[in-house]
Amino acid sequence: GNSVTQMEGPVTLSEEAFLTINCTYTATGYPSLFWYVQYPGEGLQLLLKATKADDKGSNKGFEATYRKETTSFHLEKGSVQVSDSAVYFCALNILTGGGNKLTFGTGTQLKVEL
Amino acid sequence: DAGVIQSPRHEVTEMGQEVTLRCKPISGHDYLFWYRQTMMRGLELLIYFNNNVPIDDSGMPEDRFSAKMPNASFSTLKIQPSEPRDSAVYFCASSLALGFTYEQYFGPGTRLTVT
Repeated sequence: GNSVTQMEGPVTLSEEAFLTINCTYTATGYPSLFWYVQYPGEGLQLLLKATKADDKGSNKGFEATYRKETTSFHLEKGSVQVSDSAVYFCALNILTGGGNKLTFGTGTQLKVEL
Repeated sequence: DAGVIQSPRHEVTEMGQEVTLRCKPISGHDYLFWYRQTMMRGLELLIYFNNNVPIDDSGMPEDRFSAKMPNASFSTLKIQPSEPRDSAVYFCASSLALGFTYEQYFGPGTRLTVT
């Protein structure tokens, strides 16, 4: 089956530190990969995506590269801000006859301190 | 676009009562999803619809839960009777089948507390 594994949190960083949140996946087909972010008290928002191997998704200073050889999609940001404090979810979907379900990881909480 | 709209935003009810959660997807989207989020179990997909037809309800926890989508602009998730273990945040999401990847857009959620 399909699954997503994320590093456990919480991850606590100082402002302007470098961020990496690891994500690996297993999939029965060729997935599209996503990072969603959930700010406190809100729903999930799409942060970035990649649809094929070696694609790099980027948004708001965050980046992730689709690595098929290592089945990974690690999230990175060069300099985090307090406003980046949130829960980050890695996810995949595969377009099969069953539709377009997203398979989510368990989420990684990021706390950024001054 | 107004995004996915959910109501109510907060619901507090007593055990045994019926609860109805509502969702209005983004206009033109053809997929609608209901999720539940708790600290213990994380984010769980309960059911999803395509063109108003339920496609996969394998995540619905038990017969107390039911979902309907009478038209393209409205869906409900009903719990009858409610129990304290149903306390969670319930999210609705919608997406449009276009190209090779279907981004899901989430609503703000309904926080349900069953006492």
